[in-house]
Amino acid sequence: AQSVTQLDSQVPVFEEAPVELRCNYSSSVSVYLFWYVQYPNQGLQLLLKYLSGSTLVESINGFEAEFNKSQTSFHLRKPSVHISDTAEYFCAVSESGGSYIPTFGRGTSLIVHP
Amino acid sequence: GAVVSQHPSRVICKSGTSVKIECRSLDFQATTMFWYRQFPKQSLMLMATSNEGSKATYEQGVEKDKFLINHASLTLSTLTVTSAHPEDSSFYICSARQTGTGGNTEAFFGQGTRLTVV
Repeated sequence: AQSVTQLDSQVPVFEEAPVELRCNYSSSVSVYLFWYVQYPNQGLQLLLKYLSGSTLVESINGFEAEFNKSQTSFHLRKPSVHISDTAEYFCAVSESGGSYIPTFGRGTSLIVHP
Repeated sequence: GAVVSQHPSRVICKSGTSVKIECRSLDFQATTMFWYRQFPKQSLMLMATSNEGSKATYEQGVEKDKFLINHASLTLSTLTVTSAHPEDSSFYICSARQTGTGGNTEAFFGQGTRLTVV
């Protein structure tokens, strides 16, 4: 079994400032890692994922996350946020090669102030 | 990416009635679909795994007689909340995993259904 910890329930930040949303996981086997974004009253959209290969993965809208196996982390970063980035962000983990049922963290609410 | 359509997006029903929520994979086949429930400001709680042509697998603590799941085709799964009560009010989200793709690593999510029982 695996678990995901998102330590920050809410992260307020000013527009154009950098941001980091933290995610740590635990698992006894190899994992796939995901970040999803949820806007109010909507479903989840995949932001980026790590399956294998390069530990740094990027999304098309400027977010990036780095898989750190030794620290069992997959923190999400953006160098300069926009008002439109205000949303709920979920980190998720699943066993690689398994039945694929993702386990989600509790989510981090990113609030971007003008 | 693949599209999952969930309907309705919002429903209000009277206590004691039943509500059906549909989850469709629009441009791919999905042997497996997942149903989640999300409480305000909380994460997604997996309720059950829906398998095409067979019975759903429910997570511990989820009442299978209350939350009926049917996965009759490779593109449609339904969740019926029977005899709904106000405590069933929640945001329900489905996701579908594409069948037959190598690796099969990603699930695609519907837009969710806001259920309010009055």
